[in-house]
Amino acid sequence: SSELTQDPAVSVALGQTVRITCQGDSLRTYYANWYQQKPGQAPLLVIYGENNRPSGIPDRFSGSSSANTASLTITGAQTEDEAVYYCNSRDTTLYHPVVFGGGTKLTVL
Amino acid sequence: QVHLVESGGGVVPPGRSLRLSCAASGFTFSHYGMHWVRQAPGKGLEWVAVISSDGDNRFYADSLKGRLTISRDNSKNTLYLQMDSLGAEDTAVYYCAKDRSSKWLKAEIDYWGQGTLVSVSS
Repeated sequence: SSELTQDPAVSVALGQTVRITCQGDSLRTYYANWYQQKPGQAPLLVIYGENNRPSGIPDRFSGSSSANTASLTITGAQTEDEAVYYCNSRDTTLYHPVVFGGGTKLTVL
Repeated sequence: QVHLVESGGGVVPPGRSLRLSCAASGFTFSHYGMHWVRQAPGKGLEWVAVISSDGDNRFYADSLKGRLTISRDNSKNTLYLQMDSLGAEDTAVYYCAKDRSSKWLKAEIDYWGQGTLVSVSS
């Protein structure tokens, strides 16, 4: 099956902008979706498709994509944004059709 | 308000079987694809299986194929996951999750349950 690769950890100063990336061959065909998971909680969808935010997600979250890399950008990071962020996408193989990245732990300093 | 409530987890000896259930409410269950995703303690998310809205199409993670059966009962608004020949590597929180579409083709998972813990141990 294909893989989605994420940096294990990223940090950002309070109020600054941070980009979290996700790389994989499947992203040449499909958009990535992004999920936020805080300790002890279920994941929360923050970005889906080309760059869509579910209701209730702040507009400081945005998504973009180029070639085999998808990015989640947080413009003006807040303390409550500290979490693990996962990307996922459809896979290009029928037999393992959905894949998740390994997750990026975001620390807000 | 979408609600997904998993049940059926617990401690189970290696080699045994387990069936998880997920009761859905707050949306028209029969209109949406549904996923199971698991998370081993301290690890990342691992996609497990998906079923289309009508139950006709089901797909599984390569590594788990042959030991799992995902199913749904649209008359009861309930999703199921039958797991056989459980091993220690199956210890995880199992999440039931809703797709944004009926055919799940974009894997856009917009709602998650709180999960049920399965612990495989003798």
